[in-house]
Amino acid sequence: GAVVSQHPSRVICKSGTSVKIECRSLDFQATTMFWYRQFPKQSLMLMATSNEGSKATYEQGVEKDKFLINHASLTLSTLTVTSAHPEDSSFYICSASPAGNTIYFGEGSWLTVV
Amino acid sequence: AQTVTQSQPEMSVQEAETVTLSCTYDTSESDYYLFWYKQPPSRQMILVIRQEAYKQQNATENRFSVNFQKAAKSFSLKISDSQLGDAAMYFCAYQSGGSNYKLTFGKGTLLTVNP
Repeated sequence: GAVVSQHPSRVICKSGTSVKIECRSLDFQATTMFWYRQFPKQSLMLMATSNEGSKATYEQGVEKDKFLINHASLTLSTLTVTSAHPEDSSFYICSASPAGNTIYFGEGSWLTVV
Repeated sequence: AQTVTQSQPEMSVQEAETVTLSCTYDTSESDYYLFWYKQPPSRQMILVIRQEAYKQQNATENRFSVNFQKAAKSFSLKISDSQLGDAAMYFCAYQSGGSNYKLTFGKGTLLTVNP
């Protein structure tokens, strides 16, 4: 299957700082990528749809100014958590599709805000 | 809006036995796709099987097969000859047809495989 890679896999940051998570499609181009958040023992919650060359589309209840998404190329989308707080600690995972309707996921990124 | 319901928070199966995980969904669309994803403790989301709504034939991937009942809006996953490596959280997911690849997930079923 297609490969989607996330970096970093784990990050710890201090409260009030910003942290960036990258999502790359390694062997295909993706005009659209998706960012999810997953709390412990819960399902994946869609945060936003990342569109190459245009603004991201955020789901209801997701703060656009806190979770900045940039999709500057066909193989890279970034999620920046700004002014992070402990409640932002979570597992973040991205996904993309090479073609058709099968979605592939990155390995996910654990964010801990201390 | 579409919803996906997994009514079994946890299931267990003996190694080499067969287990079925349930999933129902609600939609008014005629064109859509259904998926089962496996999430082991590593948290990597792994595609298990996919079903196109327009296909009557149930999808099969080795030991994994689905029972797709479109009229009943049911999409269950059968795992045959269960292996210890099958232990994971399983998520059922719905995707609308067309170019919007957004997935709607159920809450998941935690599968335990007993040796």
